Amino acid sequence: KQEVTQIPAALSVPEGENLVLNCSFTDSAIYNLQWFRQDPGKGLTSLLLIQSSQREQTSGRLNASLDKSSGRSTLYIAASQPGDSATYLCAVRGSSNTGKLIFGQGTTLQVKP
Amino acid sequence: NAGVTQTPKFRILKIGQSMTLQCAQDMNHNYMYWYRQDPGMGLKLIYYSVGAGITDKGEVPNGYNVSRSTTEDFPLRLELAAPSQTSVYFCASSLSGQGGWRSTEAFFGQGTRLTVV
Repeated sequence: KQEVTQIPAALSVPEGENLVLNCSFTDSAIYNLQWFRQDPGKGLTSLLLIQSSQREQTSGRLNASLDKSSGRSTLYIAASQPGDSATYLCAVRGSSNTGKLIFGQGTTLQVKP
Repeated sequence: NAGVTQTPKFRILKIGQSMTLQCAQDMNHNYMYWYRQDPGMGLKLIYYSVGAGITDKGEVPNGYNVSRSTTEDFPLRLELAAPSQTSVYFCASSLSGQGGWRSTEAFFGQGTRLTVV
């Protein structure tokens, strides 16, 4: 059974720092992995999707990497800003054609001015 | 762009009552999903659908029912509400279950916060 873990559960950094959020999964037979952002009381916003054949994806200050063989993904946020404060969730999609996502518990990020 | 729309946003139910959570998407997506999120936890899949008329159970289906009569709508029915169903419910959709970014990227609604007392 696929399990997804995100460590740490919470992170607090000063503005301007570069930071890395970690996501690990137990079954390397994934189709792709998607990173989401969730603001308090809101829905999930898709940030990046990285296919199993890819090593990384970039969007603005965000960079997601994937090492399928070791069951790890990282989300790198450059030059963090207070507006980046949110919960970040990673989710893996298996090889079946159902599109089902298995989520980690999330990392809650606070960027202090 | 409406995307995925969920109604209501908030609801309080008494134990034993029933209700339907509504979900509609206007992106012509084939795949739709219902997840629940409990405090400090990730999302868990309740039911999903790969097209109109086709539904299947996810990880935590007990106490829930779904139907998919149109591509656009995927309502979630709670029968005999219990305190364990207190949660935030999210509906999501994607074009397909496989393919590139555009096909499999999942889009989420804003959620329905349900309290059962």
